[in-house]
Amino acid sequence: SQQGEEDPQALSIQEGENATMNCSYKTSINNLQWYRQNSGRGLVHLILIRSNEREKHSGRLRVTLDTSKKSSSLLITASRAADTASYFCATILYGQNFVFGPGTRLSVLP
Amino acid sequence: GAGVSQSPSNKVTEKGKDVELRCDPISGHTALYWYRQSLGQGLEFLIYFQGNSAPDKSGLPSDRFSAERTGGSVSTLTIQRTQQEDSAVYLCASSLASGEYNEQFFGPGTRLTVL
Repeated sequence: SQQGEEDPQALSIQEGENATMNCSYKTSINNLQWYRQNSGRGLVHLILIRSNEREKHSGRLRVTLDTSKKSSSLLITASRAADTASYFCATILYGQNFVFGPGTRLSVLP
Repeated sequence: GAGVSQSPSNKVTEKGKDVELRCDPISGHTALYWYRQSLGQGLEFLIYFQGNSAPDKSGLPSDRFSAERTGGSVSTLTIQRTQQEDSAVYLCASSLASGEYNEQFFGPGTRLTVL
């Protein structure tokens, strides 16, 4: 598997439900970032979690990090149709190169 | 500036032609990144500029790809002798400084179609 690999690849839920996406990585990291992409265009930074943090919140977003399992999860609570997007985790590899996973495509149905 | 801008937003070209894609980063951002994203796929790192340092070109897929950054601001990604497999969305991002603790701000991308 590649560095920063998200699962599931695709997720469909009803509005109001919670959505959970996972990211696994291979190498040790100092932090992990989550991004959102709408309509195949530019990405928007959502949240950064440092290696010494286990959980972080931002509005309806909750990110966890388990460095022992080399995994992170992004939880979106009370989802809305506007949350429909692709979600990517990103880590640093070999210095300054960000490595983005293939993403999870989330569809929130009204 | 208001954000990272890229031009053109769409580019259709014929196989074998050269194309130039432009990126205007946020003013004051010293780090600039280029990525490529094929349909439904993740981001593929291409090249990274940090200040006046030599760029990290380790992600460029072939010698047909090159990029420059003039005056530490605007960047141009050039693809020579385009091939159909070059069709993708090319994304540019900038950050205040290099390093993994810095958020990347992305432009809207240039959708390149090679016929």
